[in-house]
Amino acid sequence: AQSVAQPEDQVNVAEGNPLTVKCTYSVSGNPYLFWYVQYPNRGLQFLLKYITGDNLVKGSYGFEAEFNKSQTSFHLKKPSALVSDSALYFCAVRVMGANQAGTALIFGKGTTLSVSS
Amino acid sequence: EAGVTQFPSHSVIEKGQTVTLRCDPISGHDNLYWYRRVMGKEIKFLLHFVKESKQDESGMPNNRFLAERTGGTYSTLKVQPAELEDSGVYFCASSHRDFAYEQYFGPGTRLTVT
Repeated sequence: AQSVAQPEDQVNVAEGNPLTVKCTYSVSGNPYLFWYVQYPNRGLQFLLKYITGDNLVKGSYGFEAEFNKSQTSFHLKKPSALVSDSALYFCAVRVMGANQAGTALIFGKGTTLSVSS
Repeated sequence: EAGVTQFPSHSVIEKGQTVTLRCDPISGHDNLYWYRRVMGKEIKFLLHFVKESKQDESGMPNNRFLAERTGGTYSTLKVQPAELEDSGVYFCASSHRDFAYEQYFGPGTRLTVT
């Protein structure tokens, strides 16, 4: 079965330090990978995606993620964390079906990022 | 460009009652998705519309859930009769094209069944 794992329920980091939020996936076929962020009382906001090409993708708010096919990972990173980055982060994957049916996103459970000042 | 909107933002109903959730996608987006997140768990896919047609409804939990998208614009998700396990946050998302394009999410409707 296709799945996404976010092994950490919570990540704590001090402001100014680098942050990493981990994501691994298990799919058959080529994955299309996404990161979303949810701030309190808000909907999910798109951060970045990997479709093809360069394994390092850059997204909104200074975030980036690296696609690693051999490790089936797509970790989210930021060189210098801000207190305002504190939120709930979701990794998601899509895989093309034979008739493009079933193109929904498969989400991980989410990781709460807490950045302290 | 207006984003995806959902109504209501929060609904509290008793077991056995009926609730209808509404989603207005971004104008021009043919693809509309419903998802649900039960407390502390993954966000799970419910169904996918392409215009007014149901492309994939494999995630609908049972026949107490009915989704419609008349005219290919807004969509409704009705739960009848509601059960305790239906509590959660229901998200709607839309996308202009399928697949490689990101989905844009609404703020969600928090449903509490007591």
